[in-house]
Amino acid sequence: DAGITQSPRHKVTETGTPVTLRCHQTENHRYMYWYRQDPGHGLRLIHYSYGVKDTDKGEVSDGYSVSRSKTEDFLLTLESATSSQTSVYFCAAHSGNEKLFFGSGTQLSVL
Amino acid sequence: DQQVKQNSPSLSVQEGRISILNCDYTNSMFDYFLWYKKYPAEGPTFLISISSIKDKNEDGRFTVFLNKSAKHLSLHIVPSQPGDSAVYFCAARASGSARQLTFGSGTQLTVLP
Repeated sequence: DAGITQSPRHKVTETGTPVTLRCHQTENHRYMYWYRQDPGHGLRLIHYSYGVKDTDKGEVSDGYSVSRSKTEDFLLTLESATSSQTSVYFCAAHSGNEKLFFGSGTQLSVL
Repeated sequence: DQQVKQNSPSLSVQEGRISILNCDYTNSMFDYFLWYKKYPAEGPTFLISISSIKDKNEDGRFTVFLNKSAKHLSLHIVPSQPGDSAVYFCAARASGSARQLTFGSGTQLTVLP
């Protein structure tokens, strides 16, 4: 168990609605990441955090925002969901050696 | 432009034989490489890694080879077992990249009994 919990595991929403995905970790990892997995693209980085209130954009950050107010929680928000954001979202974390520990993923469908 | 490429979306191997998964990269600043394994409905899990100062790293049945001049790495699994059937992702980190990993698109390995 990597100590990383994502919620919800599945979500169906409508275009234009806001959505927040939550990642909670129990191992006091400093670095946290949000990835999306799509066929043919593998895992692409959305946003990452290197400490409380320290976040930065990844390669596919448009339409997403994040917040990290506590070490253990990293939230991903889709301000206005679009069908192109239908994907599997993974949260990951590590403490400095790049050996990421991943959550089990959130399947998001935007109709 | 994908900086980490896994050109084989799928690979089938007989149980007991060797599985070879390949990965190519374009960014010469990559200095650390990792392989992750992913089962359906689960998150990826770390498998093995290699630093650019080495050309081989071995862990049990798993060996990763790095050819820096060719910008190529490969994962060898010997002997392959049905439980190895999963998607394998290659990942790379660039020096000074603020701890970001760039992933390939993955290879689905199927080990046939």
